[in-house]
Amino acid sequence: RKEVEQDPGPFNVPEGATVAFNCTYSNSASQSFFWYRQDCRKEPKLLMSVYSSGNEDGRFTAQLNRASQYISLLIRDSKLSDSATYLCVVNGGTGGFKTIFGAGTRLFVKA
Amino acid sequence: DAGVIQSPRHEVTEMGQEVTLRCKPISGHDYLFWYRQTMMRGLELLIYFNNNVPIDDSGMPEDRFSAKMPNASFSTLKIQPSEPRDSAVYFCASSSYGGATEAFFGQGTRLTVV
Repeated sequence: RKEVEQDPGPFNVPEGATVAFNCTYSNSASQSFFWYRQDCRKEPKLLMSVYSSGNEDGRFTAQLNRASQYISLLIRDSKLSDSATYLCVVNGGTGGFKTIFGAGTRLFVKA
Repeated sequence: DAGVIQSPRHEVTEMGQEVTLRCKPISGHDYLFWYRQTMMRGLELLIYFNNNVPIDDSGMPEDRFSAKMPNASFSTLKIQPSEPRDSAVYFCASSSYGGATEAFFGQGTRLTVV
């Protein structure tokens, strides 16, 4: 089993749609959680951190469920510019401070 | 700050040749990560360093791969001998506080082994 697993995608949605991505992780001792965004042929960049209480940044909402070892990202009112690959990231645990990335979920937002 | 700097940006080499990828992390960051990205396997952690010391190299695929960090401002990833299946984008990233904060990535080295 992979340490971090994500929806395979791709997700094809129209502009203005709401889309949700899910991610599960296997190491219950993991300490930090993030969502990164990667554009085609570019490096990954931080989108937002994920906190136990949940957090929101504009149209983006991230949730963490430690009991179920589950992370989610919700994008409301999708824009064409949201088209990218979204990577779930988990850090820390008994193995030290390894930063492990999921395989990513591709999102295509169409006009 | 210039961010994480990797070189070269592109590398094309013949099978059997030695390849050396270079990384300069962000000044003050004490963690450095090497990743490999392919369509089939996504972004894989190869090795990471803390204060120039390798902490976990369990992701290094074979003995042909080696990584060093001789000082806080420089790291190398070497493949010797290279094989076509090593073709991928190799990213270096650095962070502080063990990744509890954001990891910043370099632009990557696109390696093609023919």
